[in-house]
Amino acid sequence: EDQVTQSPEALRLQEGESSSLNCSYTVSGLRGLFWYRQDPGKGPEFLFTLYSAGEEKEKERLKATLTKKESFLHITAPKPEDSATYLCAVQALKLVFGQGTRLTINP
Amino acid sequence: NAGVTQTPKFQVLKTGQSMTLQCAQDMNHNSMYWYRQDPGMGLRLIYYSASEGTTDKGEVPNGYNVSRLNKREFSLRLESAAPSQTSVYFCASSEVWQGTYEQYFGPGTRLTVT
Repeated sequence: EDQVTQSPEALRLQEGESSSLNCSYTVSGLRGLFWYRQDPGKGPEFLFTLYSAGEEKEKERLKATLTKKESFLHITAPKPEDSATYLCAVQALKLVFGQGTRLTINP
Repeated sequence: NAGVTQTPKFQVLKTGQSMTLQCAQDMNHNSMYWYRQDPGMGLRLIYYSASEGTTDKGEVPNGYNVSRLNKREFSLRLESAAPSQTSVYFCASSEVWQGTYEQYFGPGTRLTVT
C-alpha cells in the first residue's frame, strides 16, 4: 500500500532560522511527488512537482529535493509569512497525501 | 482567471438533510476531484472525474454522489447528511502532464452536520 509520512508534525522557528521538512514515502512506480502550501481556512496551493531522484526545484526561500525514499523541503532564512501547513503528496497509480507539517515562523 | 471556485463557503445541516456542493474551474482541465479534509486524517479522495462524462469512486465514497455537469462543473451531493460528514470539502482540477497531474484546489466548503 502506498504511504506518505511527513515529519515533524509541527515546527516552530525564529525568523531567519533555516530548517528542513521531511516527506518519506513508500510507493511502487513513483510518477511524481508534489509539495503544497496550505494557509488556515484556505485550499492547498501548488508549489512544486519532482519527477525523479536527484531533482531539485526552488521558489523564493523554498527548495525541494527528491531521493528514492524521501523528499525534503528546505526553508532558507524564513519569514513570518512562510508560516503555513506544508503538504506532500506522491503519485503512482493514484495520489496519496501526507498529513502535513505545520510550520510557524516567529518574528 | 478565477481558478477553482466552490459554493457555498460554509454550511450547517441537520442530520438527514440533503445538499449539493458546487465546484467550477476555468482552466480548461479535463479532470476534477472532490476531497474531504479532517484533522489527523489528511486529504482523502471522495470521487473523481477523469474526463467529462466519467466519474469514479475514490477512497471514501459512501454517503456521497457526484455529477460532472460539463467540462467546467463537478458537483458533490449528500443525500442524507450524517454527523460523520462534518468536514472541510475541497474541489480540485488537473491536467495530465508527463503522466502526472498537478492538482489545483478551490477554497473549500466548511460543512457542519448537527
